[in-house]
Amino acid sequence: SQQGEEDPQALSIQEGENATMNCSYKTSINNLQWYRQNSGRGLVHLILIRSNEREKHSGRLRVTLDTSKKSSSLLITASRAADTASYFCAPDDNAGNMLTFGGGTRLMVKP
Amino acid sequence: DVKVTQSSRYLVKRTGEKVFLECVQDMDHENMFWYRQDPGLGLRLIYFSYDVKMKEKGDIPEGYSVSREKKERFSLILESASTNQTSMYLCASSSIEGGEKLFFGSGTQLSVL
Repeated sequence: SQQGEEDPQALSIQEGENATMNCSYKTSINNLQWYRQNSGRGLVHLILIRSNEREKHSGRLRVTLDTSKKSSSLLITASRAADTASYFCAPDDNAGNMLTFGGGTRLMVKP
Repeated sequence: DVKVTQSSRYLVKRTGEKVFLECVQDMDHENMFWYRQDPGLGLRLIYFSYDVKMKEKGDIPEGYSVSREKKERFSLILESASTNQTSMYLCASSSIEGGEKLFFGSGTQLSVL
């Protein structure tokens, strides 16, 4: 398994703005997943993008994947205060059923 | 919806105590995982299990053991708790058929004094 590195570590925006978080990884992957964690709680799966996909949408979430650059981005459009959370990427290199997680991006959306 | 339940939300133990953290999932998942989460270090995998009575070491197994006697239950054991094991512990499960998506419990914040 390999760990993704999220960037930036922290992001503060106003409600209604878009939030973009980035993820970089080191080796070839089968898929990449994004998770969200509210303070003091467990992680919740948001979206999975496979290595043969370039973009995927789910509601206000848009994920892109660039396998040549070994990077992914998560865009949250029209952010809300309730989007305040930490966001983690998890690259899956199919080397076993294990996912590992980096430090995440802490997003704060101010009302 | 899949439910992963961790037995305690908060736990306070003394150094040297034997500590059991319990995790139960209700969706017949084959795979179960224990992570610990510390500020600045992200989530680190302690142990995982692919099946009943099977276990594999993760990245930081030292000081921990696990037990999986039934498919739905995966226990993390701290044989002799130490202060550096103060952390948030997260259990997760996934199914082979469901792909790679992990379902997490709410976490147990363990303090070892």
